[in-house]
Amino acid sequence: ETGVTQSPTHLIKTRGQQVTLRCSSQSGHNTVSWYQQALGQGPQFIFQYYREEENGRGNFPPRFSGLQFPNYSSELNVNALELDDSALYLCASSSLGDRGRGYGYTFGSGTRLTVV
Amino acid sequence: LAKTTQPISMDSYEGQEVNITCSHNNIATNDYITWYQQFPSQGPRFIIQGYKTKVTNEVASLFIPADRKSSTLSLPRVSLSDTAVYYCLVGDWSASNFGNEKLTFGTGTRLTIIP
Repeated sequence: ETGVTQSPTHLIKTRGQQVTLRCSSQSGHNTVSWYQQALGQGPQFIFQYYREEENGRGNFPPRFSGLQFPNYSSELNVNALELDDSALYLCASSSLGDRGRGYGYTFGSGTRLTVV
Repeated sequence: LAKTTQPISMDSYEGQEVNITCSHNNIATNDYITWYQQFPSQGPRFIIQGYKTKVTNEVASLFIPADRKSSTLSLPRVSLSDTAVYYCLVGDWSASNFGNEKLTFGTGTRLTIIP
């Protein structure tokens, strides 16, 4: 089975620009979550998508938005980038049968975003 | 959500048993305790989950006392490849909590294994 893949692996953007990060979920998984991890910190929940709809959101402003596609892949979009948005962005997928369980999440290796 | 407290860092020698303790004084009745491991430039990876007493798998053991206000992750005979950040998470992942299943990470424990 394939794991979670994220693209690109690294990205440099200028303050004020917009960025799109992509995630392909693990085969058989239908739920995707996004996390932001600043240097030296634990991952922070951004939002989760299930059946192409947002299903839970963390404490992030509306300029952080997402999409889930029929094939369960997902995008994270960030508008009006700020310097503090520099972080590792992680995608995690899970399946309906494992949802609601702390162990059912498979994380990708992340996209390292640097805002200058 | 129950807040967790872990040591910021720990060092251990290869071959030793390592115990990382996590405090979660405000744990709720429906909360489970889960541990994740994260290597540099990788996403977290599930290690073990438990509700009470002791849980063991091929990687680690998890000890939870009767009051559940703390838990201890035990890694037997560590090797250099166990150098990573270990996160203790507490959350309600029961079916009744549908739609509120985010993982809440703290800053974790940075474990360094010394040759």
